[in-house]
Amino acid sequence: AQSVTQPDIHITVSEGASLELRCNYSYGATPYLFWYVQSPGQGLQLLLKYFSGDTLVQGIKGFEAEFKRSQSSFNLRKPSVHWSDAAEYFCAVGRSGGSNYKLTFGKGTLLTVNP
Amino acid sequence: DSGVTQTPKHLITATGQRVTLRCSPRSGDLSVYWYQQSLDQGLQFLIQYYNGEERAKGNILERFSAQQFPDLHSELNLSSLELGDSALYFCASSVGQAKNIQYFGAGTRLSVL
Repeated sequence: AQSVTQPDIHITVSEGASLELRCNYSYGATPYLFWYVQSPGQGLQLLLKYFSGDTLVQGIKGFEAEFKRSQSSFNLRKPSVHWSDAAEYFCAVGRSGGSNYKLTFGKGTLLTVNP
Repeated sequence: DSGVTQTPKHLITATGQRVTLRCSPRSGDLSVYWYQQSLDQGLQFLIQYYNGEERAKGNILERFSAQQFPDLHSELNLSSLELGDSALYFCASSVGQAKNIQYFGAGTRLSVL
């Protein structure tokens, strides 16, 4: 069964500082990996995705993530955080085959940005 | 705006009651997914429909059911509601093929009192 672990429940950074949110997954084959962001009272917005190919993927809002198969990780990074990045971030894994395309989510990491 | 529409945004009801949540997918998307978000369980997959047919089931209670209609909108029916059913219910849609991306609606917040 697929699973996702986000080790950090809550992270606080200062505006302008760099950010890295950790994500580890468990899946038997090459996974499809996603990062979503949820602002208070909002739905989930897709930041970026990895299906195959280049292990460094670029997303919206200046975010990037790196797929490391050897570490079963897909960490999200941003070089300089803006106050508007404060939100909850979810890593998710999807199946790369079959007909069941459900996403399995991590518990999320809440990001607080200090001025 | 993701293009996925969920109604209502908020729902307050009492234990034992039945409610229906509605989802209109993005134009052209054939798959609809329902997820439940709660503080203790996080985001959990409930059920998936593809072009009117049930495709996959997750941690969905027997008191819950769903369907996808010919116009591709979907409804999630929750019955005999309990306090623990209070949660945010999300609908997502995708084209439904491999490498599909799921787009999420804004959710329906259900409060069972």
